[in-house]
Amino acid sequence: DSGVTQTPKHLITATGQRVTLRCSPRSGDLSVYWYQQSLDQGLQFLIHYYNGEERAKGNILERFSAQQFPDLHSELNLSSLELGDSALYFCASSVTSGGATTGELFFGEGSRLTVL
Amino acid sequence: LAKTTQPISMDSYEGQEVNITCSHNNIATNDYITWYQQFPSQGPRFIIQGYKTKVTNEVASLFIPADRKSSTLSLPRVSLSDTAVYYCLVGVGSSNTGKLIFGQGTTLQVKP
Repeated sequence: DSGVTQTPKHLITATGQRVTLRCSPRSGDLSVYWYQQSLDQGLQFLIHYYNGEERAKGNILERFSAQQFPDLHSELNLSSLELGDSALYFCASSVTSGGATTGELFFGEGSRLTVL
Repeated sequence: LAKTTQPISMDSYEGQEVNITCSHNNIATNDYITWYQQFPSQGPRFIIQGYKTKVTNEVASLFIPADRKSSTLSLPRVSLSDTAVYYCLVGVGSSNTGKLIFGQGTTLQVKP
């Protein structure tokens, strides 16, 4: 158990719909990272939040957005869903030192999104 | 941001030592090198991290040459349960821009 909690574990929805994925980081971790992993693909970095503020963006579509709340949990919002958005979405949190991550990421079990 | 290059796949047999090398030619001075293991439908799991020379823990060793342009993850006496994808990650430390980008990873298949 990494200590990172993601909900829901599975989600099936239709094209055009909107979903919200939730992540609770490990206690005390200020950084939250979101990754997308499509079938048999690598991990695509989406976005990073640090202590409530957006720190870095990767290849995140405009239809996707995220935020980190004062209690440090994060949500990833996916809208106008397309078939190609079907994937595993992972959240990871990390220990930070002086604002920089130590590099040890703790991943949740992921949310599997299926768009029909 | 340091780009990493790893072999796409490797095969091994139970009981053998496996070495997976990662190239990171433009690694920054303050970057650390971190390796992760991922099983199907699970999140990656931290294996080991190093900055230079050699680091060893209970599951693996990490060898980093003086120029730090590559690193080698060594798994001693692999078993079937070591079949997984292994990623090297470079770009943490003070040079980190906040993006932690994984490479394509190496799929290790351990055969009986």
